[in-house]
Amino acid sequence: QQQVKQSPQSLIVQKGGISIINCAYENTAFDYFPWYQQFPGKGPALLIAIRPDVSEKKEGRFTISFNKSAKQFSLHIMDSQPGDSATYFCAGVDSGGGADGLTFGKGTHLIIQP
Amino acid sequence: EAGVVQSPRYKIIEKKQPVAFWCNPISGHNTLYWYRQNLGQGPELLIRYENEEAVDDSQLPKDRFSAERLKGVDSTLKIQPAELGDSAVYLCASSLVGSSPLHFGNGTRLTVT
Repeated sequence: QQQVKQSPQSLIVQKGGISIINCAYENTAFDYFPWYQQFPGKGPALLIAIRPDVSEKKEGRFTISFNKSAKQFSLHIMDSQPGDSATYFCAGVDSGGGADGLTFGKGTHLIIQP
Repeated sequence: EAGVVQSPRYKIIEKKQPVAFWCNPISGHNTLYWYRQNLGQGPELLIRYENEEAVDDSQLPKDRFSAERLKGVDSTLKIQPAELGDSAVYLCASSLVGSSPLHFGNGTRLTVT
């Protein structure tokens, strides 16, 4: 599987601040880039996703920025809240090449301090 | 809608013993996935089913792991014999078609002692 590199591994942000998580991918066949949020003891849940034909997607406090030429994308969480404390995974999908599911990054453990 | 259901939630076994995990996907979802998630890591695909057919099992360690999805609904993942390195969370996910969003269950945490 092609790798998706995610950083930072862990992140501490004050309540009300902006959390930023970055990902870089290698497989240029990826055509769908979801972000998953995982709480302890739970499975990952889809948070927000983007296709490479747009450079930005916003849903509430969550924004994905996408740079196709650099093969990078990032998640921004505005006005971060303690309830946002979780592990976040970026992923890439090659939906047209018979590839399997998702290729996940290794995750970012986010802590929002009250 | 009911989510993906997995059982058991936790399993502790001694090495060399067999173990099985069960998954019931969301009703109507034809694609089912088994992932393994090691501590502090992202999930890694083990096998993907389209209905009853395993369309990608390239990452499944076939010497000890097996899976089945009879009738294209529920699925079982088996490990026999288990090794210490198999300790992980085993996640099941389903989707309507291969590229649509995946819905994950809460996983089975396996501890091999």
